[in-house]
Amino acid sequence: QSVLTQPPSASGTPGQRVTISCSGSSSNIGSSYVYWYQQLPGTAPKLLIYRNNQRPSGVPDRFSGSKSGTSASLAISGLRSEDEADYYCAAWDDSLSGWVFGGGTKLTVL
Amino acid sequence: EVQLLESGGGLVQPGGSLRLSCTASGFTFSIYAMTWVRQAPGKGLEWVSAMSGTGDITYYADSVKGRFTISRANSKNTLYLQMNSLRDEDTAVYYCAKSTEKYGSGRLWGMDVWGQGTTVTVSS
Repeated sequence: QSVLTQPPSASGTPGQRVTISCSGSSSNIGSSYVYWYQQLPGTAPKLLIYRNNQRPSGVPDRFSGSKSGTSASLAISGLRSEDEADYYCAAWDDSLSGWVFGGGTKLTVL
Repeated sequence: EVQLLESGGGLVQPGGSLRLSCTASGFTFSIYAMTWVRQAPGKGLEWVSAMSGTGDITYYADSVKGRFTISRANSKNTLYLQMNSLRDEDTAVYYCAKSTEKYGSGRLWGMDVWGQGTTVTVSS
């Protein structure tokens, strides 16, 4: 069982906007930055969002992140077929003195 | 271009040892913290260990503490993970990753660029 809680699955149709939630506690999301990763099938994870809402260069502005209290969310607008992937949230946990990941959300583009 | 290349994976018996390497290029290796993350077959990501750029600060997941040792050779732009007393549940793809920040404490060492991973299989 993961320290950060994500829905196991999400779906949407092309062009739609979908959001993926990530719930934690005061020892992780509540006191640390949240990061989001995209993992396409058979590939290494790729950084999508860092420091809660910052996009690395090259990441489309269709992807956005937000954080409130002990929860965070990733929003994907203008959904495209190539967005079909697993998405993970991550944060530092003060109690564990280490990084924790969510269990991952499999996004399906219908 | 930032690149990370892991190596050293393979098949090992329970109780055995293995040393993974991660060779970096395209950035100033010595000023970035580095991290190991693993992914068991069909499962999610699990953070394993991290080390500061200078090598003086390390963190470990409870699941590997006392069995795994992270180290680095900045002169060789290489990160290592020495894995001892391996168990079936250590079977996974192991990724190394560069931190997003140049300095700071562990809470700032979010993973930026990742390698392609190396597979470790623990089985008799």
